[in-house]
Formats: sequence, C-alpha cells, structure tokens
Amino acid sequence: DIQMTQSPSTLSASLGDRVTITCRASQSISSSLAWYQQRPGKAPKLLIYKASSLESGVPSRFSGSGSGTEFTLTISSLQPDDFATYHCQQYYSYPLTFGPGTKVDIK
Amino acid sequence: QITLKESGPTLVKPTQTLTLTCTFSGFSLSTSGVGVGWIRQPPGKALEWLALIYWDDDQRYSPSLNSRLTITKDTSKNQVVLTMTNMDPVDTATYYCAHKRSPVRGLADFDCWGQGTLVSVSS
Repeated sequence: DIQMTQSPSTLSASLGDRVTITCRASQSISSSLAWYQQRPGKAPKLLIYKASSLESGVPSRFSGSGSGTEFTLTISSLQPDDFATYHCQQYYSYPLTFGPGTKVDIK
Repeated sequence: QITLKESGPTLVKPTQTLTLTCTFSGFSLSTSGVGVGWIRQPPGKALEWLALIYWDDDQRYSPSLNSRLTITKDTSKNQVVLTMTNMDPVDTATYYCAHKRSPVRGLADFDCWGQGTLVSVSS
C-alpha cells in the first residue's frame, strides 16, 4: 500500500494569510493526487485533482502543485470559509489511500 | 446535478453484518466509466477507503477489509450496497458513498459525496 503523510497536522493562521500544506507519498504516484476540504460534520469536498487541476466551482485562491512523491496545497489568502481540515488522497494504485489530514484553525 | 445519500442502521451489535445502501441520482451506473466508492471516517480520525464498484461490475476492495466486504450495484434502482460482516466497535465511523469523478478507469478521485451516515457498533 502507498502511505500518505501530511504536514503540519495542525496549522494556526489568520485571515488573509498564505497557507501551504504538504502531502508526501511513500512511493511515486505521478500526478495521481487529490485534495479535499472537510468542514466539521460535513462530507469532504473535492478541491484539486491530478495534483494541480482546480475542480469546477472552487475559488482560485486554492492551488495545488507537485508530482512524484511531494505535493502542496496552497491557499493564497485565507478566508473565513477556509478554516477546515484538508485531506490528500492518492489514486495511482489500489488500495486508494488518504493522508491523516491537516486542520487549519484560527490563530 | 449528482446527489448521493447513504442509508442503513445507526447501531449494530458486535459480530453482526452491516448493510448500507447508497441511493444516487444524476448519473447512471450503466454508463461506461462510472464508479461509486465507499469511504469511512472514525470519529476524529482519517478517511479510509473501503471499496469501489465500476459500471462493468469490476469491484475493488481495501485489502485489510477484503474478507469482510461486499459491494454490489442495482442499476435499475440507482443504488450501490455495501455489506460488512463481523462488525466490531472499531468499525464505528461515518460511512460515505461517493461518485468517481473521471470516466477513466484508473482515476479514482471523488467529486461528489453523500452526507454520510454514522454507524455505531456496541452491544
């Protein structure tokens, strides 16, 4: 199985901050990576697929980059709706695996 | 517009079998490339992929749970059913079904999710 790790596990930030979350895979997954946002009590929402493709309807302040084993999700200017937990997921091979999540909270 | 909704028991006893139904609209599981997956999330923990079924009845399972899981589809009812045998308290989680975004078989990210259903396992 491909193991996914994320850093940091928790991130405290202020409105307007630029935020970067890192996701690492235990082996190369090419660009087969998705990012999801999950607000408390809600289902995950797809933000980014294929490492850097923005899902339709997702604000442009979200961006993804990386390939191989290291990936980043960047929020260019943190907004109130962005305080949530972010998950990465690899779909390079089965079993599909998710990272442990990064919680973004208010500083 | 794609929607999915999970249904099933909220409480099961240890050793029982859990049956969850995902009822969806906005797409058909008889269309080439379509897939529906199940993912769960124990309280306060990470997401864990369980199973996925493709339009052609190809089924994929988490190896760690493979012996306990069965995923099936009923195209006429627009439903996908997941059964999990021998339930244990560690299986307490919110269970989600989700639509696979891409029509390409190997691209299994999920663009639409159900609201989730919390299943507790306790005697």
